[in-house]
Amino acid sequence: AQTVTQSQPEMSVQEAETVTLSCTYDTSESNYYLFWYKQPPSRQMILVIRQEAYKQQNATENRFSVNFQKAAKSFSLKISDSQLGDTAMYFCAFMKHDGGGADGLTFGKGTHLIIQP
Amino acid sequence: NAGVMQNPRHLVRRRGQEARLRCSPMKGHSHVYWYRQLPEEGLKFMVYLQKENIIDESGMPKERFSAEFPKEGPSILRIQQVVRGDSAAYFCASSRPPLGNQETQYFGPGTRLLVL
Repeated sequence: AQTVTQSQPEMSVQEAETVTLSCTYDTSESNYYLFWYKQPPSRQMILVIRQEAYKQQNATENRFSVNFQKAAKSFSLKISDSQLGDTAMYFCAFMKHDGGGADGLTFGKGTHLIIQP
Repeated sequence: NAGVMQNPRHLVRRRGQEARLRCSPMKGHSHVYWYRQLPEEGLKFMVYLQKENIIDESGMPKERFSAEFPKEGPSILRIQQVVRGDSAAYFCASSRPPLGNQETQYFGPGTRLLVL
């Protein structure tokens, strides 16, 4: 079974600062995907970024980027130039892929990110 | 291009009643996943379905819970004889068939179930 750990229950930064959310995972799988999802106060789950484990290059999406360290089983999310609208719960998620089909996501407990004006 | 639709958004039931939660996947998506989120927790996987087929129900409680995804119509998560501990947000996600890089799951807005 897979586990995902987010060690920061809550973080608070000033607007325009850069913030990094940490995530570690444990798995014996060799083929898998990692995701960051955002859950604002509306409770909607929104995909922020995804990373394929077989790719060495870190994924980026505008102000969002990841630092994927496969050997260390670490998958942190960096948010640059943070904005008030970034305030939300952020969940790290793991999904194995055995080549025969996808699977359910395993989520961490989340980090509550607060952007202060 | 409508996203994943879930209804109702809020559902109140008394103990012992049945709850039916519906999910319509995104256009072109044939795979549906159900998750439960308890207060202050992350989402927990419950069940993974394709049309007319349950692929993985390892996260679903053995009793009172069932799920289906018929050939026509939405996916249904059914909870019989609800108890207070069933109060949670239930999220549905959908994806394309898991070929190539199509595995990303897109979530609906969730159904908040409150059991009185």
